[in-house]
Amino acid sequence: RKEVEQDPGPFNVPEGATVAFNCTYSNSASQSFFWYRQDCRKEPKLLMSVYSSGNEDGRFTAQLNRASQYISLLIRDSKLSDSATYLCVAHTGGFKTIFGAGTRLFVKA
Amino acid sequence: DAGVIQSPRHEVTEMGQEVTLRCKPISGHNSLFWYRQTMMRGLELLIYFNNNVPIDDSGMPEDRFSAKMPNASFSTLKIQPSEPRDSAVYFCASSPGEGRGGYTFGSGTRLTVV
Repeated sequence: RKEVEQDPGPFNVPEGATVAFNCTYSNSASQSFFWYRQDCRKEPKLLMSVYSSGNEDGRFTAQLNRASQYISLLIRDSKLSDSATYLCVAHTGGFKTIFGAGTRLFVKA
Repeated sequence: DAGVIQSPRHEVTEMGQEVTLRCKPISGHNSLFWYRQTMMRGLELLIYFNNNVPIDDSGMPEDRFSAKMPNASFSTLKIQPSEPRDSAVYFCASSPGEGRGGYTFGSGTRLTVV
């Protein structure tokens, strides 16, 4: 079993739609969580950190559920420019950071 | 801030040749990470340094791979001899401390070994 698992998708949604991604992690000792965005042929870029209390950045909302060991990302009012791969990441103390394989999102006009 | 700088952006080489990838981390970041990304295997951590010291190189696939960090502003990843299965995008990332706040990635080196 992978330490961080994501649905690879692709998710195909129309502009303006709301889309949600989930991610599960297996190591209960994981301490910090993130979502990264990666555009085609580009480097991963930090999108947002994920906290138990949930955090929101504009159209993006991230949530952590420690009891169930999953992380979610909600994108409201999808834009064409949101099309990318979204990577779920768990940091487990020390220098150990595990990246999920990514979920591909296509937003169409 | 110039971000993490990697060179070259693209490298095409023949099998058996030596390849050297370079990375300059963000000033003040004391941790540096080398990753490899392929379609099949996703992002794989190869090695990381803290304060210029290699901490864990268990992700380095074979002895053909080696990495150095002679000072806080420069690191290299060397493959000798290169093989076609080494073709991938190699990313360098840096962070302050262990990376609890996330990493900043360079734009990567796309390596093709023919």
